Amino acid sequence: GEDVEQSLFLSVREGDSSVINCTYTDSSSTYLYWYKQEPGAGLQLLTYIFSNMDMKQDQRLTVLLNKKDKHLSLRIADTQTGDSAIYFCAERALYNQGGKLIFGQGTELSVKP
Amino acid sequence: KAGVTQTPRYLIKTRGQQVTLSCSPISGHRSVSWYQQTPGQGLQFLFEYFSETQRNKGNFPGRFSGRQFSNSRSEMNVSTLELGDSALYLCASSLEGLRPDTQYFGPGTRLTVL
Repeated sequence: GEDVEQSLFLSVREGDSSVINCTYTDSSSTYLYWYKQEPGAGLQLLTYIFSNMDMKQDQRLTVLLNKKDKHLSLRIADTQTGDSAIYFCAERALYNQGGKLIFGQGTELSVKP
Repeated sequence: KAGVTQTPRYLIKTRGQQVTLSCSPISGHRSVSWYQQTPGQGLQFLFEYFSETQRNKGNFPGRFSGRQFSNSRSEMNVSTLELGDSALYLCASSLEGLRPDTQYFGPGTRLTVL
């Protein structure tokens, strides 16, 4: 079945790099997404990666995918206090026709000045 | 382009009542998905509509229903409300709802059931 796991909390100092990890169970080819949720707000799409890619970089964000271990990570370089939020990993399986996303529990990132 | 809008933003109901939530997708988007977010269960998929048809459904009881209109606006309805239905209900829209179609989320409707 489909399942996505994330660690619940991460605390870093401003200026450091943050690495948020995610594991998924679905073995079919899939798209994997990272969303950000700030307090009282909806979800903001940060980036996505297809399972035939190993890495994707977008400004301060780097996504790494280890298909063998079904492990996904999001690295935020030069983390700022404005990056404090909950980060969700989500997957969509190849067989999944339509808009269903399976989300992890979310990782709460706290950035200390 | 205006983003996904959801109305109302906050709602307080009592057990046994019913509620209707509304979602207006981004102009041109034809797929609308609904999710329930609670502290205990996290984000769970409710259903997805495309071209006025339910295309995908999550594991929720029949008290949860939805529909989509010809202009792609969508409503979801929860009948006979229970305390456990208190949650943030998020709506997401995308062009066609196919991979890797980006889903854009609205701000959500916060439902409190007393």
